[in-house]
Amino acid sequence: SQQGEEDPQALSIQEGENATMNCSYKTSINNLQWYRQNSGRGLVHLILIRSNEREKHSGRLRVTLDTSKKSSSLLITASRAADTASYFCATVFHQGGSEKLVFGKGTKLTVNP
Amino acid sequence: NAGVMQNPRHLVRRRGQEARLRCSPMKGHSHVYWYRQLPEEGLKFMVYLQKENIIDESGMPKERFSAEFPKEGPSILRIQQVVRGDSAAYFCASSPQMGGLGEKLFFGSGTQLSVL
Repeated sequence: SQQGEEDPQALSIQEGENATMNCSYKTSINNLQWYRQNSGRGLVHLILIRSNEREKHSGRLRVTLDTSKKSSSLLITASRAADTASYFCATVFHQGGSEKLVFGKGTKLTVNP
Repeated sequence: NAGVMQNPRHLVRRRGQEARLRCSPMKGHSHVYWYRQLPEEGLKFMVYLQKENIIDESGMPKERFSAEFPKEGPSILRIQQVVRGDSAAYFCASSPQMGGLGEKLFFGSGTQLSVL
């Protein structure tokens, strides 16, 4: 499989705590993307980090990338109940002249009020 | 500026019937991707289309499934003779150019297909 794999599969925390989700992938990448999915909805793009970047911030989100370990992490600081969702990492898979995003199975985050 | 529009939102079919799922990409986007998601699973790539062309259908089952993106109108994912295993959420995503080259995808809200 060319997918990224998120870890943990599920995470439950209290409001105000930080949430860390990890993603490992198998092939070399140009960029890695994180998406969020609320229950029953489509995915929403959160952040993209390029292979030559090590860390990126967006509001309460912090993403790191370690290409030597083929891994990335998503940190949500000062979590809120509204952050409850599934989070997916995605990488580009090249095949036969085509490019597509492939997704991991996701981390299901529950933030308890 | 409307986002990616998918309809219907929910679709119920009996075994053996046909299911047609529609997707209108964002304005100005010429690349459409279809993904399937089973409960508690990630998204599985099915097909990548540009206007009037199928670029990559490596994720599509060989039988009963087809997709098109005509010059005019929405992209259609068609499932013939549906079986219970086809029950899933089907998501469409679009991008202004090849999605992998540093471009993010914009997703619709999905069509939940239930096969009785």
